Amino acid sequence: EVQLAESGGGLVQPGGSLRLSCVASGLTVSSNYMTWVRQAPGKGLEWVSVLHSSGTTYYADSVKGRFTISRDNFMNTLYLQMNSLTVEDTAVYYCAREWVAAAIDYWGQGSLVTVSS
Amino acid sequence: DIQMTQSPSSPSASVGDSVTITCRASQRISSSLNWYRQRPGKAPQLLIYSASTLQSGVPSRFSGSGSETDFTLTISSLQPEDFATYYCQQTYNIPYTFGQGTKLKI
Repeated sequence: EVQLAESGGGLVQPGGSLRLSCVASGLTVSSNYMTWVRQAPGKGLEWVSVLHSSGTTYYADSVKGRFTISRDNFMNTLYLQMNSLTVEDTAVYYCAREWVAAAIDYWGQGSLVTVSS
Repeated sequence: DIQMTQSPSSPSASVGDSVTITCRASQRISSSLNWYRQRPGKAPQLLIYSASTLQSGVPSRFSGSGSETDFTLTISSLQPEDFATYYCQQTYNIPYTFGQGTKLKI
């Protein structure tokens, strides 16, 4: 059974940094396209970033230059380093796996990031 | 970026009804369209990928159709767990954008 477990969310001040972790079981992070999707409170879904098995990364314009997606193959863990956070980054962040046609078939439970002074 | 527009925004229906949700892309995206259901407080669940392929384990009352710019998700014989929010997503070009969501109400 595939499980994705996010951690690292919390309250941070504007301009601060936070690193989200996503520990995977039942799948190998380095062999898959792993992605982060976020959802602001009461709002819709927003694609944030993807890390391909090749190591290639892509980002939404809204986070480019501030967020970095990475992985630890030994720990089978996906990360999202978030810097220069703004109130607009407040959201539940989901770790997920892209599969056929880049559709997301496995999702974590989500980690809430709140950016507030 | 490709814009995805869903309609209607918040339809009402009853258990046993059928409902159709529409998703329109701002440019042609072939069949690179996925549908998700999100129940309150839960992560989204993949229903349909590549416009019309039913994800494994998803009930056959869900079906998808369309290509290029116009797509539909049809749910027949609505069940209580189907009263949720539905999102379309294009995976033709990065960034992979979602529609704004359709909240299906009783």
